[in-house]
Amino acid sequence: EVQLVESGGDLVQPGGSLRLSCTASGFTFSGYDMHWVRQAAGGGLEWVSGIGHGGDTNYADSVKGRFTISRENGKNSLYLQMNSLRVGDTSVYYCTRGVPGALDVWGQGTTVTVSS
Amino acid sequence: QSVLTQPPSVSAAPGQKVTISCSGSSSNIGGHYVSWYQQLPGAAPKVLIYENNKQFSAVPDRFSGSVSGTSATLGITGLQTGDEADYYCAAWDRSLSALLFGGGTKLTVL
Repeated sequence: EVQLVESGGDLVQPGGSLRLSCTASGFTFSGYDMHWVRQAAGGGLEWVSGIGHGGDTNYADSVKGRFTISRENGKNSLYLQMNSLRVGDTSVYYCTRGVPGALDVWGQGTTVTVSS
Repeated sequence: QSVLTQPPSVSAAPGQKVTISCSGSSSNIGGHYVSWYQQLPGAAPKVLIYENNKQFSAVPDRFSGSVSGTSATLGITGLQTGDEADYYCAAWDRSLSALLFGGGTKLTVL
């Protein structure tokens, strides 16, 4: 079964850091682009960052310079290092698999709360 | 504030047809594939349509997609109460080098 499982969400103070992880199973992780998408409570979907199967990265302007996406193919894992966190980063963060023209597999999400 | 513009809500009766629009620009919808996602309450999103008009695996053919210029449309026929959900369009934007989502449309089946 193709599956993505996120972890690492927590309550953190503004200005703090957090590292999210996503573990993939059921497919050849190294062959796929991967993305992080977030959703604030009651809000819409917001793309955060993506990493190609070749390692190229892209970021939303709202997180550029603060977040870093990375992958470890040997561990079938995707990461999101989040620094200088703001209240506005509070969201459910989804790990998703990219295929041409779509995000076809989604995890269940992990919750990040930034609050003092 | 989304660069892809969707109506906040649409509604229709069971068995009827509804369309959801997604308006963008030449840097996104006008030059890149559009995908559509359904998010049921309390669940993660799932893809319905990819590459503008292709139904994803196991998606009923009641769901269809189309693109004309810089606008995309999701059509749903034979509405069912189980179709009540939030629907999002998405497209890559080459100017921003970012994936954009529309603001989402809440579908109510009356």
